[in-house]
Amino acid sequence: GDSVTQMEGPVTLSEEAFLTINCTYTATGYPSLFWYVQYPGEGLQLLLKATKADDKGSNKGFEATYRKETTSFHLEKGSVQVSDSAVYFCALSAYGSSNTGKLIFGQGTTLQVKP
Amino acid sequence: EAGVAQSPRYKIIEKRQSVAFWCNPISGHATLYWYQQILGQGPKLLIQFQNNGVVDDSQLPKDRFSAERLKGVDSTLKIQPAKLEDSAVYLCASSSPTGGVETQYFGPGTRLLVL
Repeated sequence: GDSVTQMEGPVTLSEEAFLTINCTYTATGYPSLFWYVQYPGEGLQLLLKATKADDKGSNKGFEATYRKETTSFHLEKGSVQVSDSAVYFCALSAYGSSNTGKLIFGQGTTLQVKP
Repeated sequence: EAGVAQSPRYKIIEKRQSVAFWCNPISGHATLYWYQQILGQGPKLLIQFQNNGVVDDSQLPKDRFSAERLKGVDSTLKIQPAKLEDSAVYLCASSSPTGGVETQYFGPGTRLLVL
């Protein structure tokens, strides 16, 4: 079945460092790809999305490009802030014989940014 | 626009007791989802509704979990009887097509602890 794999955390960075969180997926169809963020004590928030190959999603300085050839959707940010400390989830959504548009999530990557 | 509302936010019960969670989706969203998020893992779909009909409940432990969405608006998820392994955060989401793709918006979640 469809699945998402993220790099394990926690990822600890200093403020203004460059961030990459790796995400790869397995899907039989042509899924849409998402990054959600979960701040401490809060619910999941959509960070960005991409719906087809070579699309780039971006928001709040974060970006990710849908790479069909490598089945990847890595999250990047050029300069992280302490306020970016959170858990980041990569997810896919697909429609087909066994998929009804539900989100399939990776296990999450915890980011800690130190001042 | 009001977000997805959930209650209660926290619940502590003894094993074998019953518990119910409530969700009110974003106005106008036809699709509603319940996810279970166990500590350290990504959320997993329990059940998906389209209006008041069930689209996918393949991962719902039907011997103890039940859910309904009467009138196609708010929804209730029930566990009876609860087991220790049901300790998790229960997330409700609703979706609408945004920019050509169904995008899910999450509530704050209900954190359940079963003792």
